[in-house]
Amino acid sequence: DSGVTQTPKHLITATGQRVTLRCSPRSGDLSVYWYQQSLDQGLQFLIQYYNGEERAKGNILERFSAQQFPDLHSELNLSSLELGDSALYFCASSVVGGMKDTQYFGPGTRLTVL
Amino acid sequence: AQSVTQLDSHVSVSEGTPVLLRCNYSSSYSPSLFWYVQHPNKGLQLLLKYTSAATLVKGINGFEAEFKKSETSFHLTKPSAHMSDAAEYFCVVTYLTNTGNQFYFGTGTSLTVIP
Repeated sequence: DSGVTQTPKHLITATGQRVTLRCSPRSGDLSVYWYQQSLDQGLQFLIQYYNGEERAKGNILERFSAQQFPDLHSELNLSSLELGDSALYFCASSVVGGMKDTQYFGPGTRLTVL
Repeated sequence: AQSVTQLDSHVSVSEGTPVLLRCNYSSSYSPSLFWYVQHPNKGLQLLLKYTSAATLVKGINGFEAEFKKSETSFHLTKPSAHMSDAAEYFCVVTYLTNTGNQFYFGTGTSLTVIP
């Protein structure tokens, strides 16, 4: 158990809908990362937050957004969902968010878009 | 452009024999390199990391990797495979760029251990 929690574990929704994925980092970690894992794209970095501020951006679509709250939990919002958004979404956390940091991964949220 | 290549999508070894999982990277920056393992239906777990200290890095469960700058490689090895090593392994490269940290994952190597 990494100490990172993600809810929900599974989410099934329809095209065009909007969903919110939630992540609670390990106690003491200030940085949160979001990743998408799909069969065709593999694991892709989406976005990183550090202490409430956006730190780095990867291949995140404009339909997706995220934020980190004062209590350090984070939410990833996915809107106008398409079939291709079906994937496993991981959250990770680390102490300070540097490139050398070990990231601790949550168990993931499996999103199915029908 | 920065990238990371895992040369084998699938590796199969017998229990008790050595494991070699290959990873090459390309970068114009100084990278940090990681190996993560993912067991079925689980999140990723760090095996080991290179962050510009010793080039031979020892990790958990008997795994180690050597950073070879001249070959731009960071291959993962283990002297003797165990059944519990069967999993998906990801090589990860991170860079600090002028737009922030970037994280690149290889496509993964699925390791099968034959009893």
